[in-house]
Amino acid sequence: DVKVTQSSRYLVKRTGEKVFLECVQDMDHENMFWYRQDPGLGLRLIYFSYDVKMKEKGDIPEGYSVSREKKERFSLILESASTNQTSMYLCASEDNGYGYTFGSGTRLTVV
Amino acid sequence: QKEVEQNSGPLSVPEGAIASLNCTYSDRGSQSFFWYRQYSGKSPELIMSIYSNGDKEDGRFTAQLNKASQYVSLLIRDSQPSDSATYLCAVPNERTYKYIFGTGTRLKVLA
Repeated sequence: DVKVTQSSRYLVKRTGEKVFLECVQDMDHENMFWYRQDPGLGLRLIYFSYDVKMKEKGDIPEGYSVSREKKERFSLILESASTNQTSMYLCASEDNGYGYTFGSGTRLTVV
Repeated sequence: QKEVEQNSGPLSVPEGAIASLNCTYSDRGSQSFFWYRQYSGKSPELIMSIYSNGDKEDGRFTAQLNKASQYVSLLIRDSQPSDSATYLCAVPNERTYKYIFGTGTRLKVLA
């Protein structure tokens, strides 16, 4: 089975901090995605990547950036954390049409 | 019109009954469809995929697809309290691999 590992389950950060959320998948998938999930708003796509060094903006990229230096690792960066970025962050990996596999999620609280 | 629509629920069914969850989508070109289960505080888990019109069965779960009417359903037979969760419908954009998620239907199975 594909395993998608997110480095932290819970994080508490201060306003203005630079935050790194790490995601690693072990099945050589080309496609990786970062979502955030908020009550009543569902899953919203932040960024995605189809290949190493490649990134595409999703629906809500403002305040975020990403890095994909290696195929298995896709990192989400909050340049200057703000309280409205408090959310559940979900990383997913996908293999050309067979469905996403999600990581366990990182619940980020910005205080 | 939202691209993928689901009734938010909650849908309450007694233990042992059939739970029926529905999803409609707007893109007539969609070819693949996925159902995810998400327990409270956890990440979504892929439970069913369907690609052709008709029914697809997997244990107590049946996915039904009607492309002409642009809806996909998930039936859960012999519902158990452990099936209580939010069920998300996802439809990929065939060109971009980006999945469009519904906001989910919350299912409560009453013991």
